[in-house]
Amino acid sequence: KAGVTQTPRYLIKTRGQQVTLSCSPISGHRSVSWYQQTPGQGLQFLFEYFSETQRNKGNFPGRFSGRQFSNSRSEMNVSTLELGDSALYLCASSLESPGGTQYFGPGTRLLVL
Amino acid sequence: DAKTTQPPSMDCAEGRAANLPCNHSTISGNEYVYWYRQIHSQGPQYIIHGLKNNETNEMASLIITEDRKSSTLILPHATLRDTAVYYCIVNSGGSNYKLTFGKGTLLTVNP
Repeated sequence: KAGVTQTPRYLIKTRGQQVTLSCSPISGHRSVSWYQQTPGQGLQFLFEYFSETQRNKGNFPGRFSGRQFSNSRSEMNVSTLELGDSALYLCASSLESPGGTQYFGPGTRLLVL
Repeated sequence: DAKTTQPPSMDCAEGRAANLPCNHSTISGNEYVYWYRQIHSQGPQYIIHGLKNNETNEMASLIITEDRKSSTLILPHATLRDTAVYYCIVNSGGSNYKLTFGKGTLLTVNP
């Protein structure tokens, strides 16, 4: 079974732009979570979706948003990019809802210049 | 979720067993212990999890003390490819669907 896939893998943007990242969960998984990883803050939870509904959100500004489609694929969007948004963005999917073992994708590395 | 404490770094010789400790003294009865690892710049990889019994899979063994206040992840025959940051996470599952990652343990396997 294919794992979690994320596109694109690498992205360079400039301050003020917006970006959309995509995540395809493992087949049959209906829960998708997003995390941000930076050297200073480590891995931090952004939000989680199940059945197209955001169930929980981490402590991030409203510039960070997401959505989930009926096929469980998910996107996250960051508007008005700041230099501090440079990070590895990770998506994880899980089978059960709620909870369950989360399986991570390879991540999208975003560099904001 | 309960807080976990791990040593910041450990070394292990290739071919030997790597034993990574984790303290979770405030763990509650419905909380699981999860282990993930992250090889440089890749997504975290799920290793194993358990509630109260010891668990073993093709990657590792998880030993949880009887009082559940600590656990040890055992990689029986470490290889150079096991060099990674290992995270011990306590999670109740249930309604808590977020994983709280600490700083983990950097395991370096030496030839």
